[in-house]
Amino acid sequence: SQQGEEDPQALSIQEGENATMNCSYKTSINNLQWYRQNSGRGLVHLILIRSNEREKHSGRLRVTLDTSKKSSSLLITASRAADTASYFCATVAGGYQKVTFGIGTKLQVIP
Amino acid sequence: EAGVTQSPTHLIKTRGQQATLRCSPISGHTSVYWYQQALGLGLQFLLWYDEGEERNRGNFPPRFSGRQFPNYSSELNVNALELEDSALYLCASSLAGGSVQPQHFGDGTRLSIL
Repeated sequence: SQQGEEDPQALSIQEGENATMNCSYKTSINNLQWYRQNSGRGLVHLILIRSNEREKHSGRLRVTLDTSKKSSSLLITASRAADTASYFCATVAGGYQKVTFGIGTKLQVIP
Repeated sequence: EAGVTQSPTHLIKTRGQQATLRCSPISGHTSVYWYQQALGLGLQFLLWYDEGEERNRGNFPPRFSGRQFPNYSSELNVNALELEDSALYLCASSLAGGSVQPQHFGDGTRLSIL
């Protein structure tokens, strides 16, 4: 079963705009991670946010975590055509540190 | 530094056959993860190996099995292949520390069942 559910499932924006993707989950987590996947390739780790953190930045990426709402968001500022990819959130939970990925958000950035 | 490598890139099999997929982790990584990515279903967790031991297993039937070798490389075996096993199989590796460490992915093996 899926733990994280990304929203929207697809997003199309113009280059230079900001892109926001959301992830909701059901159970308590240890940490939450965001990954990017270019078509036909493996996933690339973007950012990890621990359950006791509320916000984290990495370059043009900003991730927030609201454990009371069981949700996280990924903001990509000043998007570029090269940001076109699928973005996945992954929750880590339980004593066995099980990682569960969502279905992903497909982002298209139009030049 | 070489990334995670998977072989073969593509594999075509028929129903009932057996498939073996291979993964070499990044040097220094002791944990290896296997995922199935079927169309429209996201990544489904299959197996997690660390230091040669199976640490966790997803909701897959026993015909999905694997192992991790002393050099930390790993094999995923799928027996009695079914049409719905057609998917991209991704391997990832990480440093020790389980899932608090980011996972580094290979580009996958695309398994097609005819």
